[in-house]
Amino acid sequence: DAGVIQSPRHEVTEMGQEVTLRCKPISGHDYLFWYRQTMMRGLELLIYFNNNVPIDDSGMPEDRFSAKMPNASFSTLKIQPSEPRDSAVYFCASSPRGLDTQYFGPGTRLTVL
Amino acid sequence: GENVEQHPSTLSVQEGDSAVIKCTYSDSASNYFPWYKQELGKGPQLIIDIRSNVGEKKDQRIAVTLNKTAKHFSLHITETQPEDSAVYFCAATRSGYALNFGKGTSLLVTP
Repeated sequence: DAGVIQSPRHEVTEMGQEVTLRCKPISGHDYLFWYRQTMMRGLELLIYFNNNVPIDDSGMPEDRFSAKMPNASFSTLKIQPSEPRDSAVYFCASSPRGLDTQYFGPGTRLTVL
Repeated sequence: GENVEQHPSTLSVQEGDSAVIKCTYSDSASNYFPWYKQELGKGPQLIIDIRSNVGEKKDQRIAVTLNKTAKHFSLHITETQPEDSAVYFCAATRSGYALNFGKGTSLLVTP
């Protein structure tokens, strides 16, 4: 079975540009999570969805960040405009039935110059 | 909210030795405790988990123990191998709440 798929795997952009990260969860999983990982702050939950509906976005750092899940097999995390402090690895994870057992994708390494 | 502390931050062992990583949590209502392994350039992968109705769980060379009274849980890896080298994360949560992760332990197994 395919795991969680994320694209792109690496993204380098300049400050002020729009960045869109993509995620395809494991088929049949009802929950989808977006995380950010940095050395300083570790793994931070940004937002999660249940059945395509955003449930908790309290971890989204600023209005520059937005996330959507138009259907059960696709989600996006958008940063507009991007800033150098947004540089991090962004992970998408999905879960079959709740908030506990999560399966992570390979991540997108974002570098904002 | 839940606060998860993880120790040590780095751990170096010789191949064949055991490795132990410890985590403490603050929310006495937490009832699910997973451990994730993250290899370089990859996402965290679930390796073992335990729920609060058991005190210990084993899967081959990996075991997790839980002490609810003291609010701590530990990961034990026996007969370590170089491929066990990775960053390990603990997490804790209770039903209906998102996972709270520790800061990670970088384990190095030297041949």
